[in-house]
Amino acid sequence: AQSVTQLGSHVSVSEGALVLLRCNYSSSVPPYLFWYVQYPNQGLQLLLKYTTGATLVKGINGFEAEFKKSETSFHLTKPSAHMSDAAEYFCAVTPDNYGQNFVFGPGTRLSVLP
Amino acid sequence: EAQVTQNPRYLITVTGKKLTVTCSQNMNHEYMSWYRQDPGLGLRQIYYSMNVEVTDKGDVPEGYKVSRKEKRNFPLILESPSPNQTSLYFCASSPAGTSLFFGPGTRLTVL
Repeated sequence: AQSVTQLGSHVSVSEGALVLLRCNYSSSVPPYLFWYVQYPNQGLQLLLKYTTGATLVKGINGFEAEFKKSETSFHLTKPSAHMSDAAEYFCAVTPDNYGQNFVFGPGTRLSVLP
Repeated sequence: EAQVTQNPRYLITVTGKKLTVTCSQNMNHEYMSWYRQDPGLGLRQIYYSMNVEVTDKGDVPEGYKVSRKEKRNFPLILESPSPNQTSLYFCASSPAGTSLFFGPGTRLTVL
């Protein structure tokens, strides 16, 4: 069975600082990997995804993530945090391309301090 | 505008009173699913549907029912709600082979 762990339920950074949100997964097969963002009182929006090919994936709003198979990780980064990045971030995996077996991590709440 | 809509957005009810949360998508997606979101647990899948008249259980299906009579609609039914079903519910859809598109959520409180 797949599982996703996200280190740190709450991360605080200063505006302009590096954002690093960690995601590790366990899967018996190479998975498809996703990061979603949830702003207050809204649904989840896709930030970026890895399916095949280049392991460094760029997403919206300056975020990127790198798939490291040897470390079973898919950490999310952004070089310089902005106040508008404050949200909850979810890492998710699915073993196939059919969409029905998504497993989400518990989420990391990002706070950006002025 | 391409979207997934849910109604109602907020609902307070009492134990045992049947309720339905509607979900509709206008993107002609084959796949639809329901999740519940609880603090510290992330999103957990309740039910999913691969197409019309095809539904299957997710990780936490107890106490819920679904139906898929039309491609665009995927209602979530709580026949006899209990307080442990107080949660934030999300409907999602996708065409085969891509990521999920989420609705805005329904916050349910069962007293």
